[in-house]
Amino acid sequence: KQEVTQIPAALSVPEGENLVLNCSFTDSAIYNLQWFRQDPGKGLTSLLLIQSSQREQTSGRLNASLDKSSGRSTLYIAASQPGDSATYLCAVGGRGSTLGRLYFGRGTQLTVWP
Amino acid sequence: DVKVTQSSRYLVKRTGEKVFLECVQDMDHENMFWYRQDPGLGLRLIYFSYDVKMKEKGDIPEGYSVSREKKERFSLILESASTNQTSMYLCASSPSFRALWDEQFFGPGTRLTVL
Repeated sequence: KQEVTQIPAALSVPEGENLVLNCSFTDSAIYNLQWFRQDPGKGLTSLLLIQSSQREQTSGRLNASLDKSSGRSTLYIAASQPGDSATYLCAVGGRGSTLGRLYFGRGTQLTVWP
Repeated sequence: DVKVTQSSRYLVKRTGEKVFLECVQDMDHENMFWYRQDPGLGLRLIYFSYDVKMKEKGDIPEGYSVSREKKERFSLILESASTNQTSMYLCASSPSFRALWDEQFFGPGTRLTVL
């Protein structure tokens, strides 16, 4: 079964720093990888989706990379702001019999202080 | 924009009650999902559906059932609520397993407390 790990579990940084959040997965046979943001007590907001054939995706200050062969993805946040404070979740899409299912990491809780 | 709505943000029920959680999406998505989220355990898939009247068990289906009579609506049913079903329930939808861009979109969640 696919296992997804996110490191670090929590991160606290001053405003303006560039950040890297890490995600690793055990089975490289994935369909896609999705990064989400979750604010306390709320649902998940999709940030970026990377297809298995892609190496990276960008949206504004966010850049996600995928190295399928090594089972790793990173989410890069440029020039962090207090409004970026949230939990960031990585989810890997299955293939074959698990097509369409997402396997989630436990998340990285990010705090950006002014 | 894709919109996934859930019938209640907060719900309090008593042990043994039958509980219905409703989810509606407005983007004609084929796939719909129910998850629960608990501290320390992350998100766990309860059931999903890839078509009307079709359902598949996820990782933790025990104590739950689902219904999908219309494409836009997916209901989660707790036949006899128990205290260990106190949790945050999240609904999601995605276009299709055959779609190249099969991105999941989530609703706001329902915080269920069973007393």
